[in-house]
Amino acid sequence: GEDVEQSLFLSVREGDSSVINCTYTDSSSTYLYWYKQEPGAGLQLLTYIFSNMDMKQDQRLTVLLNKKDKHLSLRIADTQTGDSAIYFCAADTGRRALTFGSGTRLQVQP
Amino acid sequence: EPEVTQTPSHQVTQMGQEVILRCVPISNHLYFYWYRQILGQKVEFLVSFYNNEISEKSEIFDDQFSVERPDGSNFTLKIRSTKLEDSAMYFCASTGTSGVTDTQYFGPGTRLTVL
Repeated sequence: GEDVEQSLFLSVREGDSSVINCTYTDSSSTYLYWYKQEPGAGLQLLTYIFSNMDMKQDQRLTVLLNKKDKHLSLRIADTQTGDSAIYFCAADTGRRALTFGSGTRLQVQP
Repeated sequence: EPEVTQTPSHQVTQMGQEVILRCVPISNHLYFYWYRQILGQKVEFLVSFYNNEISEKSEIFDDQFSVERPDGSNFTLKIRSTKLEDSAMYFCASTGTSGVTDTQYFGPGTRLTVL
């Protein structure tokens, strides 16, 4: 089955760019998602990319997809303290069951 | 903006008791899901539901679990006889479009604590 992996922790300074990386194993993944989870809260959909795209930009967020390497990244420009959270990568192979990574904790230092 | 809602936000129960977690998906959505997240671990898929029946379920979703859409708005997860290891955050999600993969929108979760 699908396996999704992420690095566990990233620390950046306010105003810098953050890049959170994710790898997945199932090449038939059709949609790839980024969710944000703040402490004690649920999963907030940030953005997603369809597998026939290489890049998607949405305001401060840029998603890059390298299908050959099965690598997905989320870049947050001008990172703010309010961006501090856990970011989950998730893959959907069309079976309607998302497979999540373990989450990357982003810490933004003022 | 429409959202998925879940009640209660926190449920505490004794081991062996039955619990029902409730969800109200987005009103025109057709597919419904339950996921769980044990503290510090990955979010795991439990079950998907469409057209009043289970579409897919994971190995976690054993005979202790059941789902139901008792009316036109609610979607419930029942755990028949809770175990300590059922303590987790349970998330409900829904998607809109039939036949095509669509974005899953998640509720805020119910934290289940089994003592």
